[in-house]
Amino acid sequence: QSALTQPASVSGSPGQSITISCTGTSSDVGSYNLVSWYQQHPGKAPKLMIYEVSKRPSGVSNRFSGSKSGNTASLTISGLQAEDEADYYCCSYAGSSTSVFGGGTKLTVL
Amino acid sequence: EVQLVESGGGLVQPGGSLRLSCAASGFTFSSYWMSWVRQAPGKGLEWVANIKQDGSEKYYVDSVKGRFTISRDNAKNSLYLQMNSLRAEDTAVYYCARDRAGGAGAFDIWGQGTMVTVSS
Repeated sequence: QSALTQPASVSGSPGQSITISCTGTSSDVGSYNLVSWYQQHPGKAPKLMIYEVSKRPSGVSNRFSGSKSGNTASLTISGLQAEDEADYYCCSYAGSSTSVFGGGTKLTVL
Repeated sequence: EVQLVESGGGLVQPGGSLRLSCAASGFTFSSYWMSWVRQAPGKGLEWVANIKQDGSEKYYVDSVKGRFTISRDNAKNSLYLQMNSLRAEDTAVYYCARDRAGGAGAFDIWGQGTMVTVSS
């Protein structure tokens, strides 16, 4: 049950695209297509942005997309907007009905 | 409106106990796995525990096994977390969350969180 590895911070200018990586192991990310991504603004509850690696819940902008290769999942945000500035967390199923989160990535929109 | 509202947080001494509650509304509570997720001050999210729709299966992160107990009352649309033998490292905001992925961790509805502080 070790946390998934995310970069501490990423940044980009409005209109640009950024990608946040999430590295796990063959016991979690690598074994299941059950990676989800969450956006969290300061003082707020997390919001589901992506589930099952690449699916978007209703109401989430198509500027957000997800992918996975091996033990690493990625979240890409295209056409960066000021309101995208937030913390982002990945989460993976880890077997036996347990889940594990990443350490979080702070996105700064320059 | 689909909603989760946590309550029961507060200040407790090390070794003490606390029971958190989460009231669900706006959806069929008994149809979903539910989880507790916590966030220590200034830190990341940590999955804590989950429970199957009928309460027959419960799972925990290693750090709380034997100390925390998750339960639910589908008649009251409520989720609970009984926390015993509390430690300073349990200090966090505790969120309840609905899992749309049947225990596989896609948390689509979150409460606003309740703060638990363990300190003497």
